[in-house]
Amino acid sequence: EVQLVESGGGLVQPGGSLRLSCAASGFTFSDQYMDWVRQAPGKGLEWVGRIRQRENRFTTEYAASVEGRFTISRDDSKNSLYLQMNSLKTEDTAVYYCARPRYSSAWYFDYWGQGTLVTVSS
Amino acid sequence: DIQLTQSPSFLSASIGDRVTITCRASQGISSHLAWYQQKPGKAPKVLIYAASTLQSGVPSRFTGSGSGTEFTLTISSLQPEDFATYHCQQLDSFPLTFGGGTKVEIK
Repeated sequence: EVQLVESGGGLVQPGGSLRLSCAASGFTFSDQYMDWVRQAPGKGLEWVGRIRQRENRFTTEYAASVEGRFTISRDDSKNSLYLQMNSLKTEDTAVYYCARPRYSSAWYFDYWGQGTLVTVSS
Repeated sequence: DIQLTQSPSFLSASIGDRVTITCRASQGISSHLAWYQQKPGKAPKVLIYAASTLQSGVPSRFTGSGSGTEFTLTISSLQPEDFATYHCQQLDSFPLTFGGGTKVEIK
């Protein structure tokens, strides 16, 4: 059974940093692209970024709103995905989900974690 | 960036109603569109991908159609468990984007 479990959320002051983790199981993690998606309280979904796998040189893509402040990384030996968030702003307050993109005639996200809440406030 | 406009943003309907949600893209995205259902406090769940392909395990009352810039999600006969928020997502190009969501509530 595929499982994605996020952790690391919490309260942080504006300008601070936080690192989120996503523990994956039930599939060959090293073969997969992985993404982060966030959802501000009462708002819609916002894609944050993607990391590709080793054969694609771990290249990344980011939303403009987080480019230069957030970094996605992975440790395939630990089946884990990370989101390092620096220079946090109040508008980064959201539930953060890791999600697995899958390709079957087109891309879509077939599995999501349960989410972890990040609150940026003084 | 590709903008996705969902309509309506809120919909009130009764059990057994036929419900249609529209998602319009600001430029053509072929069939690179997915639909998700989200219930309060839960992660989204994929219903439809490639605009019209039903994800395994999703009831057949959900259908997706469209290509290019206009897409629809139809629920043929609304069931109690279908009251939720529905999101469209384009996966044609980066940055990936979502529509604003459609909340379906009980009339």
